[in-house]
Amino acid sequence: EVLLVESGGDLVKPGGSLRVSCEASGFMFRKHTMAWVRQAPGKGLEWVASISSAGLSADYADSVKGRFTVTRDNDKSSVHLQMNSLTVEDTAIYYCARRFLYDFGHFDSWGQGTRVVVSS
Amino acid sequence: DIQMTQSPSSLSVSVGDRVTITCQASHDLKKHLNWYQHKPGRAPKVLIFDASDLEPGVPSRFSGSGSGTHFTLTISSLQPEDIATYYCQQYCPQYEQCDSQPPFSFGPGTRLDIK
Repeated sequence: EVLLVESGGDLVKPGGSLRVSCEASGFMFRKHTMAWVRQAPGKGLEWVASISSAGLSADYADSVKGRFTVTRDNDKSSVHLQMNSLTVEDTAIYYCARRFLYDFGHFDSWGQGTRVVVSS
Repeated sequence: DIQMTQSPSSLSVSVGDRVTITCQASHDLKKHLNWYQHKPGRAPKVLIFDASDLEPGVPSRFSGSGSGTHFTLTISSLQPEDIATYYCQQYCPQYEQCDSQPPFSFGPGTRLDIK
């Protein structure tokens, strides 16, 4: 069974930093692009970042570019999102998602999410 | 950047209704468009990929159609468990040059509630 479990969500002050993580199991992790998608309170889903299967390339939404960094450890089947210079607009549930294989572009497995609150 | 719109933004429905949600894109997506269902407190779930392919395990009352800039998600006979928010999502295939768009983005969502 494919399982994605996020952790690390917390309350942090504006300007602060936080690292959230996602541990994967039940599939060949190193074959899949992984992504982070967030949902702010009362808002829709927003793609945040994604990282290629080997970790050689990453993409970011304009809203987080230069502040967030996505990394992965294929030996530990984990993906991380380092978030710096946080603002109240970054308050959201952060979901880890697996991109299906090859050139398909859908996210076929998701974690339950980890909550990040940015507030003074 | 690609702009994605969905209509309606919300819809009051009854069990048994035929429900149609549309997604419009500002650029030609070909068939690179997926649909998700999201319930509060749950993980999003993919329903349709590549515009019209049903994800394994998803009930056949869900269907998708369209290409280019106009797409639809149809629920043929709404069931109580279908009350959720639905999102379209575009993607740029890794074999294409997508300088003018992010690799992924979601539409604003369509919320269904019971009439």
